Amino acid sequence: KQEVTQIPAALSVPEGENLVLNCSFTDSAIYNLQWFRQDPGKGLTSLLLIQSSQREQTSGRLNASLDKSSGRSTLYIAASQPGDSATYLCAVRGREGGSEKLVFGKGTKLTVNP
Amino acid sequence: DARVTQTPRHKVTEMGQEVTMRCQPILGHNTVFWYRQTMMQGLELLAYFRNRAPLDDSGMPKDRFSAEMPDATLATLKIQPSEPRDSAVYFCASGLVRSAGDQETQYFGPGTRLLVL
Repeated sequence: KQEVTQIPAALSVPEGENLVLNCSFTDSAIYNLQWFRQDPGKGLTSLLLIQSSQREQTSGRLNASLDKSSGRSTLYIAASQPGDSATYLCAVRGREGGSEKLVFGKGTKLTVNP
Repeated sequence: DARVTQTPRHKVTEMGQEVTMRCQPILGHNTVFWYRQTMMQGLELLAYFRNRAPLDDSGMPKDRFSAEMPDATLATLKIQPSEPRDSAVYFCASGLVRSAGDQETQYFGPGTRLLVL
Protein backbone atom coordinates (compact mmCIF):
# COMPACT_ATOMS: atom_id res chain seq x y z
CA LYS A 1 0.00 0.00 0.00
CA GLN A 2 1.38 3.39 -1.02
CA GLU A 3 2.35 5.72 1.81
CA VAL A 4 3.36 9.34 1.38
CA THR A 5 5.34 11.21 4.01
CA GLN A 6 6.07 14.91 4.16
CA ILE A 7 8.80 16.43 6.27
CA PRO A 8 8.76 18.78 8.05
CA ALA A 9 5.17 18.97 9.27
CA ALA A 10 5.57 22.69 9.82
CA LEU A 11 8.09 25.30 8.73
CA SER A 12 8.48 28.96 9.60
CA VAL A 13 10.84 31.20 7.60
CA PRO A 14 11.50 34.91 7.18
CA GLU A 15 10.35 36.61 4.00
CA GLY A 16 12.77 36.36 1.10
CA GLU A 17 14.27 33.04 2.08
CA ASN A 18 14.54 30.15 -0.37
CA LEU A 19 13.10 26.90 1.02
CA VAL A 20 12.63 23.24 0.22
CA LEU A 21 9.71 21.00 1.15
CA ASN A 22 10.21 17.26 1.06
CA CYS A 23 7.97 14.39 0.06
CA SER A 24 8.73 10.68 0.05
CA PHE A 25 6.68 7.72 -1.13
CA THR A 26 7.06 3.99 -0.60
CA ASP A 27 5.98 2.55 -3.96
CA SER A 28 7.87 3.89 -6.97
CA ALA A 29 5.30 2.52 -9.45
CA ILE A 30 3.54 5.84 -9.89
CA TYR A 31 1.96 7.60 -12.85
CA ASN A 32 2.63 11.10 -11.61
CA LEU A 33 3.21 13.27 -8.57
CA GLN A 34 1.42 16.51 -7.77
CA TRP A 35 2.01 19.34 -5.36
CA PHE A 36 -1.05 21.14 -4.02
CA ARG A 37 -1.55 24.20 -1.90
CA GLN A 38 -4.29 24.45 0.72
CA ASP A 39 -5.24 27.72 2.38
CA PRO A 40 -7.07 27.63 5.74
CA GLY A 41 -10.73 26.72 5.30
CA LYS A 42 -10.33 26.25 1.58
CA GLY A 43 -9.98 23.42 -0.91
CA LEU A 44 -6.79 22.35 -2.65
CA THR A 45 -5.19 24.11 -5.59
CA SER A 46 -2.91 22.16 -7.91
CA LEU A 47 0.51 23.81 -8.23
CA LEU A 48 2.63 21.43 -10.26
CA LEU A 49 2.22 17.98 -11.79
CA ILE A 50 5.24 15.87 -12.70
CA GLN A 51 4.73 12.84 -14.92
CA SER A 52 6.62 9.71 -13.94
CA SER A 53 8.91 10.13 -16.96
CA GLN A 54 9.87 13.70 -15.99
CA ARG A 55 12.49 14.92 -13.54
CA GLU A 56 11.14 18.37 -12.75
CA GLN A 57 8.54 21.03 -13.42
CA THR A 58 8.72 24.77 -12.91
CA SER A 59 6.08 27.42 -12.45
CA GLY A 60 7.18 30.91 -11.53
CA ARG A 61 9.04 30.78 -8.22
CA LEU A 62 8.17 27.10 -7.74
CA ASN A 63 10.26 24.17 -8.88
CA ALA A 64 9.34 20.56 -8.18
CA SER A 65 11.69 17.65 -8.73
CA LEU A 66 11.00 13.94 -8.87
CA ASP A 67 13.35 11.02 -8.26
CA LYS A 68 11.08 8.08 -8.79
CA SER A 69 13.67 5.40 -8.11
CA SER A 70 14.39 6.73 -4.65
CA GLY A 71 10.78 7.66 -3.95
CA ARG A 72 11.42 11.34 -3.36
CA SER A 73 10.19 14.72 -4.51
CA THR A 74 11.07 18.23 -3.44
CA LEU A 75 9.24 21.50 -3.86
CA TYR A 76 11.58 24.47 -4.01
CA ILE A 77 10.14 27.93 -3.35
CA ALA A 78 12.38 30.83 -4.26
CA ALA A 79 12.27 34.23 -2.59
CA SER A 80 9.39 33.30 -0.28
CA GLN A 81 6.62 35.81 0.40
CA PRO A 82 4.01 36.07 3.18
CA GLY A 83 1.39 35.13 0.56
CA ASP A 84 3.08 31.74 0.24
CA SER A 85 1.90 30.88 3.75
CA ALA A 86 -0.31 27.80 3.40
CA THR A 87 -0.22 24.02 3.76
CA TYR A 88 1.52 22.25 0.90
CA LEU A 89 0.46 18.70 0.10
CA CYS A 90 2.19 16.16 -2.04
CA ALA A 91 0.17 13.43 -3.76
CA VAL A 92 1.19 10.47 -5.90
CA ARG A 93 -1.00 8.79 -8.44
CA GLY A 94 -0.70 5.05 -8.72
CA ARG A 95 -2.77 1.95 -9.22
CA GLU A 96 -4.22 0.15 -6.22
CA GLY A 97 -6.83 -2.52 -6.22
CA GLY A 98 -7.48 -2.13 -9.93
CA SER A 99 -8.12 1.59 -9.95
CA GLU A 100 -6.04 4.74 -10.08
CA LYS A 101 -5.84 6.77 -6.91
CA LEU A 102 -4.19 9.87 -5.57
CA VAL A 103 -2.54 9.17 -2.22
CA PHE A 104 -1.78 12.30 -0.22
CA GLY A 105 0.79 13.16 2.39
CA LYS A 106 -0.36 15.03 5.48
CA GLY A 107 1.23 18.24 4.33
CA THR A 108 3.77 20.80 5.43
CA LYS A 109 2.35 23.94 7.01
CA LEU A 110 4.46 26.87 5.81
CA THR A 111 4.51 30.25 7.51
CA VAL A 112 6.45 33.07 5.86
CA ASN A 113 7.00 35.93 8.28
CA PRO A 114 7.16 39.53 7.00
CA ASP B 1 -14.50 31.23 -13.73
CA ALA B 2 -15.49 27.55 -13.53
CA ARG B 3 -15.25 25.96 -10.13
CA VAL B 4 -16.53 23.06 -8.09
CA THR B 5 -19.27 24.01 -5.67
CA GLN B 6 -20.25 22.17 -2.51
CA THR B 7 -23.19 22.55 -0.18
CA PRO B 8 -23.55 22.98 2.68
CA ARG B 9 -20.25 24.60 3.63
CA HIS B 10 -20.80 23.79 7.30
CA LYS B 11 -23.01 21.21 9.00
CA VAL B 12 -23.53 20.49 12.67
CA THR B 13 -25.72 17.52 13.49
CA GLU B 14 -26.39 15.02 16.20
CA MET B 15 -25.28 11.43 16.23
CA GLY B 16 -27.72 9.20 14.39
CA GLN B 17 -28.98 11.86 11.99
CA GLU B 18 -28.71 11.57 8.22
CA VAL B 19 -26.28 13.92 6.51
CA THR B 20 -26.34 14.69 2.79
CA MET B 21 -23.55 16.61 1.11
CA ARG B 22 -23.83 17.86 -2.46
CA CYS B 23 -21.30 18.67 -5.12
CA GLN B 24 -21.63 20.35 -8.49
CA PRO B 25 -18.61 19.46 -10.62
CA ILE B 26 -17.20 21.79 -13.22
CA LEU B 27 -19.40 21.66 -16.31
CA GLY B 28 -17.99 19.18 -18.82
CA HIS B 29 -15.88 17.27 -16.32
CA ASN B 30 -16.49 13.52 -16.39
CA THR B 31 -14.75 12.41 -13.20
CA VAL B 32 -15.84 13.22 -9.65
CA PHE B 33 -14.00 12.38 -6.44
CA TRP B 34 -15.04 12.46 -2.79
CA TYR B 35 -12.31 12.92 -0.17
CA ARG B 36 -12.34 13.19 3.62
CA GLN B 37 -9.75 15.23 5.52
CA THR B 38 -8.98 14.90 9.24
CA MET B 39 -6.03 15.98 11.31
CA MET B 40 -5.16 12.39 12.16
CA GLN B 41 -5.56 10.71 8.77
CA GLY B 42 -4.98 13.58 6.38
CA LEU B 43 -6.77 13.47 3.04
CA GLU B 44 -8.31 10.13 2.09
CA LEU B 45 -10.16 9.12 -1.06
CA LEU B 46 -13.64 7.81 -0.29
CA ALA B 47 -15.03 7.19 -3.78
CA TYR B 48 -14.85 8.32 -7.36
CA PHE B 49 -17.03 8.28 -10.45
CA ARG B 50 -16.37 8.48 -14.15
CA ASN B 51 -19.18 9.29 -16.54
CA ARG B 52 -21.49 8.91 -13.50
CA ALA B 53 -20.46 5.29 -12.91
CA PRO B 54 -18.79 4.42 -9.61
CA LEU B 55 -15.24 3.22 -10.27
CA ASP B 56 -13.96 2.83 -6.74
CA ASP B 57 -15.63 3.20 -3.38
CA SER B 58 -13.24 1.02 -1.40
CA GLY B 59 -12.32 3.90 0.87
CA MET B 60 -15.87 4.36 2.05
CA PRO B 61 -17.50 2.61 5.05
CA LYS B 62 -20.26 0.81 3.18
CA ASP B 63 -22.56 0.30 6.12
CA ARG B 64 -23.29 3.98 6.59
CA PHE B 65 -21.91 5.90 3.61
CA SER B 66 -23.32 6.05 0.10
CA ALA B 67 -22.28 8.08 -2.92
CA GLU B 68 -24.31 8.70 -6.07
CA MET B 69 -24.42 10.80 -9.19
CA PRO B 70 -28.08 11.34 -10.07
CA ASP B 71 -26.97 13.30 -13.12
CA ALA B 72 -23.79 14.76 -14.60
CA THR B 73 -24.18 18.01 -12.68
CA LEU B 74 -24.74 16.60 -9.20
CA ALA B 75 -22.88 14.22 -6.92
CA THR B 76 -24.10 13.35 -3.44
CA LEU B 77 -22.48 11.79 -0.39
CA LYS B 78 -24.80 10.55 2.34
CA ILE B 79 -24.05 9.34 5.84
CA GLN B 80 -26.79 7.46 7.65
CA PRO B 81 -26.61 7.20 10.60
CA SER B 82 -23.87 9.72 11.34
CA GLU B 83 -21.38 9.19 14.16
CA PRO B 84 -18.98 11.57 15.95
CA ARG B 85 -16.01 9.91 14.23
CA ASP B 86 -17.42 11.11 10.88
CA SER B 87 -16.55 14.69 11.86
CA ALA B 88 -14.20 15.92 9.17
CA VAL B 89 -14.00 18.14 6.11
CA TYR B 90 -15.40 16.44 3.04
CA PHE B 91 -14.04 17.58 -0.32
CA CYS B 92 -15.38 17.00 -3.78
CA ALA B 93 -13.08 17.30 -6.78
CA SER B 94 -13.71 16.98 -10.50
CA GLY B 95 -11.58 16.42 -13.56
CA LEU B 96 -11.73 15.60 -17.26
CA VAL B 97 -10.39 12.39 -18.79
CA ARG B 98 -10.44 12.53 -22.59
CA SER B 99 -8.91 9.18 -23.45
CA ALA B 100 -7.62 5.95 -21.91
CA GLY B 101 -4.41 6.59 -20.00
CA ASP B 102 -5.14 10.29 -19.65
CA GLN B 103 -4.44 11.67 -16.19
CA GLU B 104 -6.66 14.52 -15.18
CA THR B 105 -5.86 17.47 -13.00
CA GLN B 106 -8.31 17.50 -10.11
CA TYR B 107 -10.09 20.71 -9.20
CA PHE B 108 -11.23 20.81 -5.61
CA GLY B 109 -14.33 22.38 -4.11
CA PRO B 110 -14.17 24.40 -0.87
CA GLY B 111 -15.33 21.44 1.25
CA THR B 112 -18.14 20.72 3.70
CA ARG B 113 -17.07 20.97 7.32
CA LEU B 114 -19.08 18.37 9.24
CA LEU B 115 -19.38 18.16 13.00
CA VAL B 116 -21.33 15.28 14.50
CA LEU B 117 -22.11 15.76 18.18
